[in-house]
Amino acid sequence: EIVLTQSPGTLSLSPGERATLSCRASQSVSSRYLAWYQQKPGQAPRLLIYGASYRATGIPDRFSGRGSETDFTLTISRLEPEDFVVYYCQQFEDSPWTFGQGTKVEVK
Amino acid sequence: QVQLQQWGAGLLKPSETLSLTCAVSGESFSGFYWSWIRQPPGRGLEWIGEVDPSSGTNYNPSLKSRVTLSVDTSKRQVSLSLTSVTAADTAVYYCARRGRGFYHYVDVWGKGNTVIVSS
Repeated sequence: EIVLTQSPGTLSLSPGERATLSCRASQSVSSRYLAWYQQKPGQAPRLLIYGASYRATGIPDRFSGRGSETDFTLTISRLEPEDFVVYYCQQFEDSPWTFGQGTKVEVK
Repeated sequence: QVQLQQWGAGLLKPSETLSLTCAVSGESFSGFYWSWIRQPPGRGLEWIGEVDPSSGTNYNPSLKSRVTLSVDTSKRQVSLSLTSVTAADTAVYYCARRGRGFYHYVDVWGKGNTVIVSS
């Protein structure tokens, strides 16, 4: 099974700052099989990024993704108050489709 | 716009069987994979399995011996059955949709069902 390791576990930043979240895979994942999700408390996750770098419908352009093979990054260029929540990556390269353990972005 | 409505028992005793159903409204049913994903309290997401209305099922090996996913195409419903539950199965269970295109991702999620296993 492909293990996705997200870092850091918690990211403490201030509104307006830039957030960089990492997702590392235990084996190579094709970019088209890597997605990022945002989860707010008490809600289901929401698709942010698919294909490693394509924003889902309605996602603000302050969210961007990049990466390839085993290293992927989600960047939030300027944190808004509603962005201080949890983010997950997921791979579809090999079943079982696994998630990273999540990164929580909190207010510093 | 596709909507996923989930329902099922929320409180179970150890050794009982968890049963949840997800009804799909709005868009194509057979053109997608339908997944179940769970999230224990305060923890991350775990993929349980998915069903392709056209061809079959795909399960997480960690749960495969206890999980059955089924589909009723005429009712546009997918169901999850998890046998011999324990406290470790306490979680929010989500029904979700995955597309068949070049890019793979889950783009639609149900609201989730909280399932508590307690004696």
